[in-house]
Amino acid sequence: RKEVEQDPGPFNVPEGATVAFNCTYSNSASQSFFWYRQDCRKEPKLLMSVYSSGNEDGRFTAQLNRASQYISLLIRDSKLSDSATYLCVVNIRLDEAGTYKYIFGTGTRLKVLA
Amino acid sequence: EAGVAQSPRYKIIEKRQSVAFWCNPISGHATLYWYQQILGQGPKLLIQFQNNGVVDDSQLPKDRFSAERLKGVDSTLKIQPAKLEDSAVYLCASSPRLAGAYEQYFGPGTRLTVT
Repeated sequence: RKEVEQDPGPFNVPEGATVAFNCTYSNSASQSFFWYRQDCRKEPKLLMSVYSSGNEDGRFTAQLNRASQYISLLIRDSKLSDSATYLCVVNIRLDEAGTYKYIFGTGTRLKVLA
Repeated sequence: EAGVAQSPRYKIIEKRQSVAFWCNPISGHATLYWYQQILGQGPKLLIQFQNNGVVDDSQLPKDRFSAERLKGVDSTLKIQPAKLEDSAVYLCASSPRLAGAYEQYFGPGTRLTVT
C-alpha cells in the first residue's frame, strides 16, 4: 500500500463547477499535511496547509480527518486557471530527534473546461 | 527574494554516461531536498540535508547516485552510470528548517533524458 494515495484523475469539469479531491495516508505518525499545485512542466508550489480544524482560502477548502487518515480539497466555482495537478503531501516524523520527511502522492489532474 | 536555482535545465545523455546537477537553495534555508519526479508520478525524495549533514537518503540508489552539500549551501547530485529508467525531472527544494509545517520551495528542475 502506498503511503499517500490519490485518485490520479483526470477530473474534467466545466467552469463554475465544484470539485473535490481526496487523499488517504497510511502512516499514523504523520504530523503535517499540505496541498501543492503543479502546473504542466513546472515545479510544485504550495497551495495550502491543512489543519485539523479545516481551513479555507477563497474558493479552496481543505479538511483533515485524522481518525480516518483522510485529507480533502474542495474547489468551488472552478476557473480555467485552476487546471493543474494537485499533490497531496504528508509530513512524517522519522525519529525522536525531530527528523521529518515529506511524502508526496501521485497527484490528481484537474482540467477545467470552458 | 531569489528562489531556488538549478542547472542545467535540460540534459540528454546516453546510458552508462555520467551527469551532475547543481542546486542553490534560498539564502538562509537550512534544509535541502533532492526529488526525482517520473512522468505521471509525484516527486519521490532521494535525499535530504540539514545544513551539510544527511538526514535521510533511504531512497537514494547509492550504487549509482551520490549527493553532497558543501558548506551547507549549494548541493550537487550525480548519477554514474545512468540508466534508461533515470529519465525524469530532478527537483531541488529548500525550507527554512527541518521539522514541522514549513513550506518547501522548489526550483524549476532539471529534465534528464537518458537514451
